[in-house]
Amino acid sequence: AQSVSQHNHHVILSEAASLELGCNYSYGGTVNLFWYVQYPGQHLQLLLKYFSGDPLVKGIKGFEAEFIKSKFSFNLRKPSVQWSDTAEYFCAVSPAGNTGKLIFGQGTTLQVKP
Amino acid sequence: DAGVTQSPTHLIKTRGQHVTLRCSPISGHKSVSWYQQVLGQGPQFIFQYYEKEERGRGNFPDRFSARQFPNYSSELNVNALLLGDSALYLCASSFNMGETQYFGPGTRLLVL
Repeated sequence: AQSVSQHNHHVILSEAASLELGCNYSYGGTVNLFWYVQYPGQHLQLLLKYFSGDPLVKGIKGFEAEFIKSKFSFNLRKPSVQWSDTAEYFCAVSPAGNTGKLIFGQGTTLQVKP
Repeated sequence: DAGVTQSPTHLIKTRGQHVTLRCSPISGHKSVSWYQQVLGQGPQFIFQYYEKEERGRGNFPDRFSARQFPNYSSELNVNALLLGDSALYLCASSFNMGETQYFGPGTRLLVL
């Protein structure tokens, strides 16, 4: 069955700490990978995406993610978090060529303490 | 540019009723997808429409239906509402089936 698993449900960090959120997927075939973010009171926004090419992708606000095909993983990283990064983060996968059928993980709530 | 818009923003219904949710995609976008997000979980795929044709359906009962109009806007219909249908319903659009999806603010449905 197709699925996405996010390792951490709730993460609490202090400002300037480094962040890594785990994401593993189960999907037969070539995939597109995404991280979406939902800031408090706002709608889902795209943080970054991987379609093909360099497995290390950079997104907005200093976030990056690395696609490791052999591990079916797409972990999200940021070297130094800010209070404004407090949000819910969702990893998602779609079949390559059709981004309209996203399968989401259950989400990780990140709380950054000032 | 206007993003994806959805109406209404909030809705309260009782069990057994019918509901229609509406979505207007970003101008020029031809693909629209619907998702259900239950509190504390990630969004779940319900339907995808592209060029007014259904291109995919998630694991939802036949009480859920949708359509896409010639102007690419879309409606999601849910019949015989159950308490478990209470959720945030998200609409997302993309230029075509292979491009990034952009999400609307959602319609929060409460079934009593």
